[in-house]
Amino acid sequence: NAGVTQTPKFQVLKTGQSMTLQCAQDMNHEYMSWYRQDPGMGLRLIHYSVGAGITDQGEVPNGYNVSRSTTEDFPLRLLSAAPSQTSVYFCASSVRDRIYNSPLHFGNGTRLTVT
Amino acid sequence: GESVGLHLPTLSVQEGDNSIINCAYSNSASDYFIWYKQESGKGPQFIIDIRSNMDKRQGQRVTVLLNKTVKHLSLQIAATQPGDSAVYFCAENIQGAQKLVFGQGTRLTINP
Repeated sequence: NAGVTQTPKFQVLKTGQSMTLQCAQDMNHEYMSWYRQDPGMGLRLIHYSVGAGITDQGEVPNGYNVSRSTTEDFPLRLLSAAPSQTSVYFCASSVRDRIYNSPLHFGNGTRLTVT
Repeated sequence: GESVGLHLPTLSVQEGDNSIINCAYSNSASDYFIWYKQESGKGPQFIIDIRSNMDKRQGQRVTVLLNKTVKHLSLQIAATQPGDSAVYFCAENIQGAQKLVFGQGTRLTINP
């Protein structure tokens, strides 16, 4: 199993551009989520999904869209990139749609810079 | 989790010593806690978890202690090794929610 795979690893965007960060998992996990990590801020939840066709907002959803058409994929879309979205983005998944006894498995991140 | 700050707390220990990393969580309704380890350039990796109906749980070389009275969580690493150098995050799940809230992390450095 590859686990959680994120692409690309690095990306530079100009302000106003749009792009999609890809996330795929091959563990048949129901729960998937996106976090951003900024220096000194820990990880903050952007959006999450408890199963195909179901998504919900996290702590910092503004400026981002998600969809979950399949169990395996959970792409994160930046509609109009802003410098404040410069960050490292992590996708994570877990076995069940409930957090308990089902720790998150993280990808290795996408480092995004918006100029 | 820990309050947000600009600088990451750092803990330096001698190789072979025990390390204790602390975390103060914020919500008395949190009922599940996890410790993650993050090495440079990688995503967080699960270390150990604990439910709120427990006050101690042990793994291989790691122990998590939970004190609900003062909303405090700690991670103890026995016989710290160079490979333990990383940033360690605690995370809490608020009962009924479907999301983890992470602390800001503590950087553990090992002195030879």
